[in-house]
Amino acid sequence: GQNIDQPTEMTATEGAIVQINCTYQTSGFNGLFWYQQHAGEAPTFLSYNVLDGLEEKGRFSSFLSRSKGYSYLLLKELQMKDSASYLCAVKGDQTGANNLFFGTGTRLTVIP
Amino acid sequence: GAVVSQHPSWVICKSGTSVKIECRSLDFQATTMFWYRQFPKQSLMLMATSNEGSKATYEQGVEKDKFLINHASLTLSTLTVTSAHPEDSSFYICSAREETSPRVYEQYFGPGTRLTVT
Repeated sequence: GQNIDQPTEMTATEGAIVQINCTYQTSGFNGLFWYQQHAGEAPTFLSYNVLDGLEEKGRFSSFLSRSKGYSYLLLKELQMKDSASYLCAVKGDQTGANNLFFGTGTRLTVIP
Repeated sequence: GAVVSQHPSWVICKSGTSVKIECRSLDFQATTMFWYRQFPKQSLMLMATSNEGSKATYEQGVEKDKFLINHASLTLSTLTVTSAHPEDSSFYICSAREETSPRVYEQYFGPGTRLTVT
């Protein structure tokens, strides 16, 4: 089975830094994704990690440790528009498909 | 970049009727598309994998006779919710991979379809 855990909710202040953690236990691993989803909209791609280490992309960075089954998304210089749900997703190795298994998502609220 | 569209964006139907949702890859071909369902304040749950020219693969617990999937071409997959009931009310999202792209690992999501069954 697949098990992906994230905190349900987080609150942070505008201009600050926030780290959203994700732990996973999956049958097979072919990469970990972070998506941003605003209410009522489809997810948008933020990052992809398949090797251990940190991937930096502007204000957003994502880290992966495969041995620990752990990832985090780091958001710097928070803006009000960053208020959204952040979904951690793992690409498993299900036969015949490269589908994604999503965590429950972390709802981030940025306050002034 | 790759674009996936869905139609309709929202639909209201009466209990017992059927609703068809279309998912199109606009500027690329997709052998495989995925259908997800998302209930309020919950994450996306994969319902099925749609394969062009063959039968869809359903996740455990998803009734294949209730959620009919047809992947008629390399740019179109449809999901038909048959005999809809209020508990089927949800946000349905499709996605597709651009398999010829160097970023083949990336799935592109459609804008979603909000289904309300009254």
